[in-house]
Amino acid sequence: GEDVEQSLFLSVREGDSSVINCTYTDSSSTYLYWYKQEPGAGLQLLTYIFSNMDMKQDQRLTVLLNKKDKHLSLRIADTQTGDSAIYFCAERGTGFQKLVFGTGTRLLVSP
Amino acid sequence: DAGVTQSPTHLIKTRGQQVTLRCSPKSGHDTVSWYQQALGQGPQFIFQYYEEEERQRGNFPDRFSGHQFPNYSSELNVNALLLGDSALYLCASSLRGIEQYFGPGTRLTVT
Repeated sequence: GEDVEQSLFLSVREGDSSVINCTYTDSSSTYLYWYKQEPGAGLQLLTYIFSNMDMKQDQRLTVLLNKKDKHLSLRIADTQTGDSAIYFCAERGTGFQKLVFGTGTRLLVSP
Repeated sequence: DAGVTQSPTHLIKTRGQQVTLRCSPKSGHDTVSWYQQALGQGPQFIFQYYEEEERQRGNFPDRFSGHQFPNYSSELNVNALLLGDSALYLCASSLRGIEQYFGPGTRLTVT
């Protein structure tokens, strides 16, 4: 079946790097995504990675994928207070476009 | 580009009533998906529309139905509302399914 798990909470200081982790169970996942949600808002697509890649970098964001262990991580370099939000990992299987989300990791960045 | 838009922003209904939520996809997108996000949870897939037909459906009862119009906009209808239907309802649009962009959501409260 499809299941995505994330740790619930992460606290870092401004300027540090943040690493948010995610594990998934569906071995047929084709794309894996990271979304950001601020209070009372919708989801913002941050980045995504195709399952045949092991790393993707996009400005301050680095995504690492270990397909063997079904483990995905998002590293945010030089974390800012504006990065405080809930981060969701999601996976998409083959065929149609349904996304399966984790429960989200709340990132708190303190000055 | 207006992005994905949803209306209304907030809605309060009574148990047993019916509700209709609306979504306009991002310009150029042809596929609309609907998700339900309960408080403190990740979004759960309800269904997806493409070419005016329901293409995939999640584990939601038949009380949840939808429609897609020729201009790709979409409606989500929920009949016989229950207290447990209170949630943030999110619409996402995409073209060829790789990048799904979410709207700001409709907050539904059932009393």
